[in-house]
Amino acid sequence: SQKIEQNSEALNIQEGKTATLTCNYTNYSPAYLQWYRQDPGRGPVFLLLIRENEKEKRKERLKVTFDTTLKQSLFHITASQPADSATYLCALDLNNAGNMLTFGGGTRLMVKP
Amino acid sequence: DVKVTQSSRYLVKRTGEKVFLECVQDMDHENMFWYRQDPGLGLRLIYFSYDVKMKEKGDIPEGYSVSREKKERFSLILESASTNQTSMYLCASSLAGARSDTQYFGPGTRLTVL
Repeated sequence: SQKIEQNSEALNIQEGKTATLTCNYTNYSPAYLQWYRQDPGRGPVFLLLIRENEKEKRKERLKVTFDTTLKQSLFHITASQPADSATYLCALDLNNAGNMLTFGGGTRLMVKP
Repeated sequence: DVKVTQSSRYLVKRTGEKVFLECVQDMDHENMFWYRQDPGLGLRLIYFSYDVKMKEKGDIPEGYSVSREKKERFSLILESASTNQTSMYLCASSLAGARSDTQYFGPGTRLTVL
């Protein structure tokens, strides 16, 4: 069955360090992958999209990589700040219908000052 | 900016009550979605609508129905609320045919069924 895996354990890092979150998927070849941020009690907010033909994408302190051979995406936050503390979700169009996303369970990031 | 609003942030209902959750988006998006989010289970799709009066079941449609009479509004209905429907409900919208399907979420409704 199709599956998206994110580390369910919280990631605790020190302010100023680089946070790296992982999204693994199985049994599918998505055309793109998205990352969202979710704060407690709020809806997810779109951050970045990376397509299958892109190896890397950057936006300010964020960087996403997409390895279609490993079936893995890495999400990096450089020079992390306490304000980056949130849950980060990856999402894929698993049914290739071009309209529905399947979300991973998310990884909670805690950045300590 | 896309704005997705949900009728209530918090809602408390009793078992057996009929519950309406409403969602409105202001960006003329064709697609609208209802999810529920539970600890350890992530976001699960309940129903999806790609046009007015059109709907498709998601992963967990049992116990729910939806209505989309106008493009901007998508309602989730719990015909007879049960305690296992206590959850955070999230509405989202997206543009059809955008080849990216970025979804824009509302703030969520935390529903408690007693």
